[in-house]
Amino acid sequence: GAGVSQSPSNKVTEKGKDVELRCDPISGHTALYWYRQSLGQGLEFLIYFQGNSAPDKSGLPSDRFSAERTGGSVSTLTIQRTQQEDSAVYLCASSGNRGPGELFFGEGSRLTVL
Amino acid sequence: AQSVSQHNHHVILSEAASLELGCNYSYGGTVNLFWYVQYPGQHLQLLLKYFSGDPLVKGIKGFEAEFIKSKFSFNLRKPSVQWSDTAEYFCAVKRSYGGATNKLIFGTGTLLAVQP
Repeated sequence: GAGVSQSPSNKVTEKGKDVELRCDPISGHTALYWYRQSLGQGLEFLIYFQGNSAPDKSGLPSDRFSAERTGGSVSTLTIQRTQQEDSAVYLCASSGNRGPGELFFGEGSRLTVL
Repeated sequence: AQSVSQHNHHVILSEAASLELGCNYSYGGTVNLFWYVQYPGQHLQLLLKYFSGDPLVKGIKGFEAEFIKSKFSFNLRKPSVQWSDTAEYFCAVKRSYGGATNKLIFGTGTLLAVQP
């Protein structure tokens, strides 16, 4: 597609449930990033993929969070046993050859944990 | 650890007023610097970037930013704001050598409201 696509756009879940968030990057972009945006907190880095490998997963808040990327394309961020503090907008971005660090963002997945 | 500070959390201006949003970063090495903007209901998009060369960088919609290495700053400016500039603005920094990671570190954002 023309841009980064994320789904679902909105997810409401109960505390303790698992959720999966999906990101479809711009075709041909080798780098993929997940960020979390909370009110007043800015963008918090979660994980970075280069191809299918994750050289930097230092931002994952706990072992309840995991992510994978397959085929050098689609990525899934999984949050197990969700907690209320996980409520945020989860943003995916991809980057290609137009310049290191120039990220193209998706619309985000808004997660609400009740 | 790297960090990015945006000192203005919420700015309210009238149309035609001049804008300057502060951004300071903590990393001492060579960096790439960015300003991203998020208009209401839209996704984040790049406003401008600095990699090397002229420290005064011009971006879209009349915005510019100046990299002052000695002050670890990359402030965003616009001589005359418009109502359509109402948005949240994020400063970001990345180590230019990359290394094991290519991640951008973002500031907490500045919410700009321009009153007509």
